[in-house]
Amino acid sequence: EAQVTQNPRYLITVTGKKLTVTCSQNMNHEYMSWYRQDPGLGLRQIYYSMNVEVTDKGDVPEGYKVSRKEKRNFPLILESPSPNQTSLYFCASSVGRGQPQHFGDGTRLSIL
Amino acid sequence: QKEVEQDPGPLSVPEGAIVSLNCTYSNSAFQYFMWYRQYSRKGPELLMYTYSSGNKEDGRFTAQVDKSSKYISLFIRDSQPSDSATYLCAMSNNTDKLIFGTGTRLQVFP
Repeated sequence: EAQVTQNPRYLITVTGKKLTVTCSQNMNHEYMSWYRQDPGLGLRQIYYSMNVEVTDKGDVPEGYKVSRKEKRNFPLILESPSPNQTSLYFCASSVGRGQPQHFGDGTRLSIL
Repeated sequence: QKEVEQDPGPLSVPEGAIVSLNCTYSNSAFQYFMWYRQYSRKGPELLMYTYSSGNKEDGRFTAQVDKSSKYISLFIRDSQPSDSATYLCAMSNNTDKLIFGTGTRLQVFP
């Protein structure tokens, strides 16, 4: 089954404690992306990757890092999380940047 | 002005009603138009995908694109309680990133 898998699904943590949200896709997609979804603001792109070792900033990259060492994996790293990063995060993948994206089921992060 | 505007709702309709969901956009370069459905606690899933202007039908769902008016619609016939979800429009010019609307929350009551 084609899918994008994110872990963890839920996380409550404290300010400043580094965390990583993993994302893996099994569709051999070149393009992967991270979004955050906030009420009234919709989906905002954090970072994207066009292929292995190729990443670029989206609209709201501050406070986040990513890496793409393998085609299937695209982890999101919060090195020093702050409360304004409390949000619902989605990883997505597709065959190309402007093409329909397949989404994971989301990770709800609460940073106290 | 946002590139894509979408009424947030909520839209509440009785079962069996015809539902019309809409988005307007400002970028005339958009050629690819999508509708996603997002259930609570789930990720968005692709519902409809159309290229350029015209209509596309899939079961109870019809997607319409009017590029001259920069307006896209999703119609749901014979709506069901299971259609209750948030519907997001998205569009692109293929090479640049997808631009999403903020979503319209739909409730279909029995």
